[in-house]
Amino acid sequence: NAGVTQTPKFQVLKTGQSMTLQCAQDMNHNSMYWYRQDPGMGLRLIYYSASEGTTDKGEVPNGYNVSRLNKREFSLRLESAAPSQTSVYFCASSERDRSTDTQYFGPGTRLTVL
Amino acid sequence: GENVEQHPSTLSVQEGDSAVIKCTYSDSASNYFPWYKQELGKRPQLIIDIRSNVGEKKDQRIAVTLNKTAKHFSLHITETQPEDSAVYFCAASIGGSGNTPLVFGKGTRLSVIA
Repeated sequence: NAGVTQTPKFQVLKTGQSMTLQCAQDMNHNSMYWYRQDPGMGLRLIYYSASEGTTDKGEVPNGYNVSRLNKREFSLRLESAAPSQTSVYFCASSERDRSTDTQYFGPGTRLTVL
Repeated sequence: GENVEQHPSTLSVQEGDSAVIKCTYSDSASNYFPWYKQELGKRPQLIIDIRSNVGEKKDQRIAVTLNKTAKHFSLHITETQPEDSAVYFCAASIGGSGNTPLVFGKGTRLSVIA
């Protein structure tokens, strides 16, 4: 099993450009998450999907949209990128929507917005 | 909502010494407290967790203690080794379906000096 995979690994955008970060998991997990990690700020939740067909906002959702395409895939879209969105983005999944379940993280996408 | 404070932000110890990282949380309803380790350039990975029905949990050189009255929990690493050097994150959540996912602390960078 590959676990949680993310594409791309690195991306450079210009201000105003759009892009979609892809995430997939092969563990048959129900819940998926998107985090951003900035120096000294820890991991902050952007959006999550407790189960297929549902999505909810996290702590920092502004400027982002998500799509739970199916049980395996959860994408994050930046419609008009801003320099403040320069960050490392992690996708994660857990077996159920119970917050006591272990979250398994993907390898991350390093995004730079110029 | 839940707020998690983590201290110290950086910690240096000599190889073989112990390291202690402390976290406080704000929501008395929180009942699940995991710790994640993130090596440089890698993804966060769960190393130990504790639920509110116990006060301490050990796994070889790692232990976590929980004080529900004071709303704080700590990670203890004994006999530290160079491979323990990483960033450690604490987190807290209110367990159960439909509840808000984990809230993370801002991290502690641990350096073990050989």
